[in-house]
Amino acid sequence: SQWGEENLQALSIQEGEDVTMNCSYKTYTTVVQWYRQKSGKGPALIILIRSNEREKRSGRLRATLDTSSQSSSLSITGTLATDTAVYFCATDATGYQNFYFGKGTSLTVIP
Amino acid sequence: EAAVTQSPRNKVTVTGGNVTLSCRQTNSHNYMYWYRQDTGHGLRLIHYSYGAGNLQIGDVPDGYKATRTTQEDFFLLLELASPSQTSLYFCASSDRDNQDTQYFGPGTRLLVL
Repeated sequence: SQWGEENLQALSIQEGEDVTMNCSYKTYTTVVQWYRQKSGKGPALIILIRSNEREKRSGRLRATLDTSSQSSSLSITGTLATDTAVYFCATDATGYQNFYFGKGTSLTVIP
Repeated sequence: EAAVTQSPRNKVTVTGGNVTLSCRQTNSHNYMYWYRQDTGHGLRLIHYSYGAGNLQIGDVPDGYKATRTTQEDFFLLLELASPSQTSLYFCASSDRDNQDTQYFGPGTRLLVL
């Protein structure tokens, strides 16, 4: 498996709070993608970070990547109820054209 | 915005039945993928393709066939469906020059009785 010990996590927070989700992976990756999946929809890419980057920002999103510990995090600041979704990280299979997806973090933001 | 459509959106069949799931993308992407999503497992890759007539095996291919008839169309075939194939199936596509971004369809929910 590409992943460390990982279960589907569930987080419930109040609107306006900040939240950080983590994922760890076992083998080298050139990029970590973070996807958001809202109820009844397919996943959608929200941010990606490459192996030569330590941090990437996009609006209220911040992704970090630590290649030495093979881990990545996604932070959302000032959460909104519309951020309620399952968040997945995905890593590439070096040399192939596909990605491995983690099991995800279910985030509920209470208005 | 890339567009990926799937049909049917919901399907019920019986054990041993024959099922075809369809996916179409209208953005001239080279790569197309079939995933299944199950609670506790996240998204798992079944098959993928990088062009018409091409097929690559993913991580959970057993019991599934796939065919890429055109650049736009990718089909997933379950010829002898089993209850273990009850799942939510997603199709995705990506571009040769920007493989990092996969665009997903809305999903097909399959129930095998």
